Amino acid sequence: KQEVTQIPAALSVPEGENLVLNCSFTDSAIYNLQWFRQDPGKGLTSLLLIQSSQREQTSGRLNASLDKSSGRSTLYIAASQPGDSATYLCAVKDRGSTLGRLYFGRGTQLTVWP
Amino acid sequence: GAGVSQSPRYKVAKRGQDVALRCDPISGHVSLFWYQQALGQGPEFLTYFQNEAQLDKSGLPSDRFFAERPEGSVSTLKIQRTQQEDSAVYLCASSLGIARDNYEQYFGPGTRLTVT
Repeated sequence: KQEVTQIPAALSVPEGENLVLNCSFTDSAIYNLQWFRQDPGKGLTSLLLIQSSQREQTSGRLNASLDKSSGRSTLYIAASQPGDSATYLCAVKDRGSTLGRLYFGRGTQLTVWP
Repeated sequence: GAGVSQSPRYKVAKRGQDVALRCDPISGHVSLFWYQQALGQGPEFLTYFQNEAQLDKSGLPSDRFFAERPEGSVSTLKIQRTQQEDSAVYLCASSLGIARDNYEQYFGPGTRLTVT
């Protein structure tokens, strides 16, 4: 069974810092990897989706990389802002699950203070 | 256009009560997923529908959990004789294509169930 781990579990930084959130997964046979943001009491908002054939994706201040062979992904947040405060979840869709379920990590809870 | 909607947003049930949680997926989306998210955890898969067919229910934790999608659009997750361990946020997601294709899953806001 696919296991997804996220480090760190929590992160508190001052505004303006560049951040790296880490995600690792145990089975490298994946279709894609997705990073989500979850605000308190809200659902999940997709930030970036990286296909298994891709190495990275960028959207604004966010950049996600994927190293499938080593089972790792990083989410890089540039020039962090208080509005970035949320829980960030990593999820993989693996080839062992032909019916598309996502396997999630527990998330990194990010706090950016002014 | 409209996203995935879920109702109710919050539900408090006394232990032993039955509850029904509703999901309205994005119009035209073939695939529908239910996930359960316990406090401090990532979402865990419960069940998957392709149109009206329930193709995977391997994540349902017990036979007290039942899901349906009779017309291939709206889905209902029913929990019978609720227990305290059922307290969680229940998330619904829909996707345009069939599950093995590389379509994104779009998530609703969730229903927070508290069993007292």
